[in-house]
Amino acid sequence: GENVEQHPSTLSVQEGDSAVIKCTYSDSASNYFPWYKQELGKRPQLIIDIRSNVGEKKDQRIAVTLNKTAKHFSLHITETQPEDSAVYFCAATPYNQGGKLIFGQGTELSVKP
Amino acid sequence: GAVVSQHPSWVICKSGTSVKIECRSLDFQATTMFWYRQFPKQSLMLMATSNEGSKATYEQGVEKDKFLINHASLTLSTLTVTSAHPEDSSFYICSAAGLQETQYFGPGTRLLVL
Repeated sequence: GENVEQHPSTLSVQEGDSAVIKCTYSDSASNYFPWYKQELGKRPQLIIDIRSNVGEKKDQRIAVTLNKTAKHFSLHITETQPEDSAVYFCAATPYNQGGKLIFGQGTELSVKP
Repeated sequence: GAVVSQHPSWVICKSGTSVKIECRSLDFQATTMFWYRQFPKQSLMLMATSNEGSKATYEQGVEKDKFLINHASLTLSTLTVTSAHPEDSSFYICSAAGLQETQYFGPGTRLLVL
């Protein structure tokens, strides 16, 4: 089955710097890759997603890139702000398995003012 | 749009009792809902996929008789933790699938079994 590996597990940056979180997946047939932000004690919130027919997607300070050949995708946050501090999860949807999500282990991002 | 609610948000129960958690999609119909379990500082672990009008599909290692799932309508799925024990204490989160597979999560239910 699908397996998603996420790195790093923790990331600390200065306010204004960029942050990059990387994920790899094992099932080449996976076709949907969302990123979620989870603040302490709250629900995961979808921040951006990408499908397998697209290589890059951007939404203001957030961008996601996908390399299907290498089976990895990355989240890029530019001009980080303290409110970006949270745990970020990547996920992959295996093809034809009812739309379920397989999550990475999570990255705890800390943005220091 | 795409709001998912979950009830209750907190539950404390005695060992051996059963607990029911409700997950509702408030402003859209969801033929598929998912149930996850999350331990402190860990990732979300998929427990089962719930399809409206049919039996749930459980992930490997999840006891279907322990975690009963019912998806009776397009806006409601329930998870019942039967004969709960302290090791069942966790954060349970549901999600509902909207258009194009996007999953929207409920606020979660913290279960503490004494």
